[in-house]
Amino acid sequence: GAVVSQHPSWVICKSGTSVKIECRSLDFQATTMFWYRQFPKQSLMLMATSNEGSKATYEQGVEKDKFLINHASLTLSTLTVTSAHPEDSSFYICSARGQGGNYGYTFGSGTRLTVV
Amino acid sequence: QQQVKQSPQSLIVQKGGISIINCAYENTAFDYFPWYQQFPGKGPALLIAIRPDVSEKKEGRFTISFNKSAKQFSLHIMDSQPGDSATYFCAARATWGDDKIIFGKGTRLHILP
Repeated sequence: GAVVSQHPSWVICKSGTSVKIECRSLDFQATTMFWYRQFPKQSLMLMATSNEGSKATYEQGVEKDKFLINHASLTLSTLTVTSAHPEDSSFYICSARGQGGNYGYTFGSGTRLTVV
Repeated sequence: QQQVKQSPQSLIVQKGGISIINCAYENTAFDYFPWYQQFPGKGPALLIAIRPDVSEKKEGRFTISFNKSAKQFSLHIMDSQPGDSATYFCAARATWGDDKIIFGKGTRLHILP
């Protein structure tokens, strides 16, 4: 089945630094990738959608300059949290959708970001 | 309306019982309704999904019932087991934008051994 690898699984960084999270589709080409954020005991909130080779589309209220998304290839998308602050601490999850018009949305295992 | 409303927020069921989680939506532009299971510290995993032209879908112990006219759908877990204890999210795929998946708020299910 389709597999999405997300790395790292957890990261601790100092306030003011930047952190990059990678999302790779291992056995399929992902035309679209989605980035979600999940606070403890809450639902997944969509942050942005990225299509290969084009700029990401951000949801209302999400700072595009703070959460940089790059989808340079059909198998890799990255989320960079710039100038991280403690309030950015959260669980970040990516999802990839393959080609062919099927409904195959595959989720990564998530990245726990802690900003100290 | 982009919301998918889910209830209950938490649910406790005896082993062997039936767990029922309900969801409702407003926007008729949703065209795909998946249910996800999430364990702590993990990403959500697709459990079962249905399209609005089908009223029921069953996979093993999991059944989705879909009422298009009422804009409601539900997940039934038969013979619930302690291993089913997890958070369950209903979701819907929007046909606008980039076909994003919108999640309900989740139901924390605990199966008593």
